[in-house]
Amino acid sequence: SAVISQKPSRDICQRGTSLTIQCQVDSQVTMMFWYRQQPGQSLTLIATANQGSEATYESGFVIDKFPISRPNLTFSTLTVSNMSPEDSSIYLCSVATGAISGANVLTFGAGSRLTVL
Amino acid sequence: GQNIDQPTEMTATEGAIVQINCTYQTSGFNGLFWYQQHAGEAPTFLSYNVLDGLEEKGRFSSFLSRSKGYSYLLLKELQMKDSASYLCAVRDSNYQLIWGAGTKLIIKP
Repeated sequence: SAVISQKPSRDICQRGTSLTIQCQVDSQVTMMFWYRQQPGQSLTLIATANQGSEATYESGFVIDKFPISRPNLTFSTLTVSNMSPEDSSIYLCSVATGAISGANVLTFGAGSRLTVL
Repeated sequence: GQNIDQPTEMTATEGAIVQINCTYQTSGFNGLFWYQQHAGEAPTFLSYNVLDGLEEKGRFSSFLSRSKGYSYLLLKELQMKDSASYLCAVRDSNYQLIWGAGTKLIIKP
């Protein structure tokens, strides 16, 4: 399976600022996924990033708030813009690597824990 | 709406057996995943069920009943390193993953 490096691993940010999270994969992948994991809640898909096209956002998430870049097949960034305390969460990058019985298995990065003051 | 239910937290003793349940109500079904997530780490794939029955993989087994909308993860011969959160996720009719909030498993010596 792929190895995913995410940075920063954690950060404390001031309200109103923006932070960019980087995700580097050790192999070329078509789709990269960005998730949010809030304490005690389920993983929530923010968007799917395809190389060479605009990201596809899930309901409740918009490009102005979470702009995504995908410059090549091994790298993506997620920016959390104009942050508020409600954006405090763990943000996870993942890719589909391998398949079992026709279903893609996800490999995740270790996550970026953001605290907004 | 779509919903995945798991117990929030469970406690078990080292060496024992524990069963973590997952019930789901989704628009269609195209498979169910279990992932393990240690605190501060990435979720890692444990098992996948798409047909009814039991899938065994070492100390871990996963069961599925599609008619009941139910799965469980069975962990045998518990070790301290099994202390983690266990996430259940279902692929719906659109092949979108719907995630449960996870079950935090605490192993005591």
